[in-house]
Amino acid sequence: SQTIHQWPATLVQPVGSPLSLECTVEGTSNPNLYWYRQAAGRGLQLLFYSVGIGQISSEVPQNLSASRPQDRQFILSSKKLLLSDSGFYLCAWSVLGGYEQYFGPGTRLTVT
Amino acid sequence: AQKVTQAQTEISVVEKEDVTLDCVYETRDTTYYLFWYKQPPSGELVFLIRRNSFDEQNEISGRYSWNFQKSTSSFNFTITASQVVDSAVYFCALSDHAGNMLTFGGGTRLMVKP
Repeated sequence: SQTIHQWPATLVQPVGSPLSLECTVEGTSNPNLYWYRQAAGRGLQLLFYSVGIGQISSEVPQNLSASRPQDRQFILSSKKLLLSDSGFYLCAWSVLGGYEQYFGPGTRLTVT
Repeated sequence: AQKVTQAQTEISVVEKEDVTLDCVYETRDTTYYLFWYKQPPSGELVFLIRRNSFDEQNEISGRYSWNFQKSTSSFNFTITASQVVDSAVYFCALSDHAGNMLTFGGGTRLMVKP
């Protein structure tokens, strides 16, 4: 069966510090991968998605970037965090050409 | 552009009551997919159901049922005999024919009191 992991689970970082969040998927090949942010405990905003290694599409211009160095690994980064980057970050995967997305446990980021 | 509206931000019911969560969508695609997800307090989104635009049959899964009506662009979710464990935020979502991009509604927070 497929499993999606995210780490860390929680993170407190000062403004201006770098960020690296990691997401890995097990039990499937060539997944589509997604990063979402949920602010204030409500709606989800798609940040990035990837249909293959090195292929990243950005949905919202922001202080963040994403990379996919391996087939089942998706990384969310920032060089300098802003207060507005605080939120709950969710990684998701779907089967290539599939539709429903399956979400990881999330990372709660607080920028102080 | 696609849009999903969940007009109910919060609903509070007493255990064993039935509750319906509303979802209205907008899309120009003739083929599209609708979804419901549950987000319990732990935060992880749990996939509940996917519906294709060309299949308007209602679906029932245990205490859960979904009513899809293309004529009103609605995809409502009913929980029968609600339980405290149903307390969560529920999201309705829409994807285009390619299925790669999900547009989420704002979510409805359901509180089931004992």
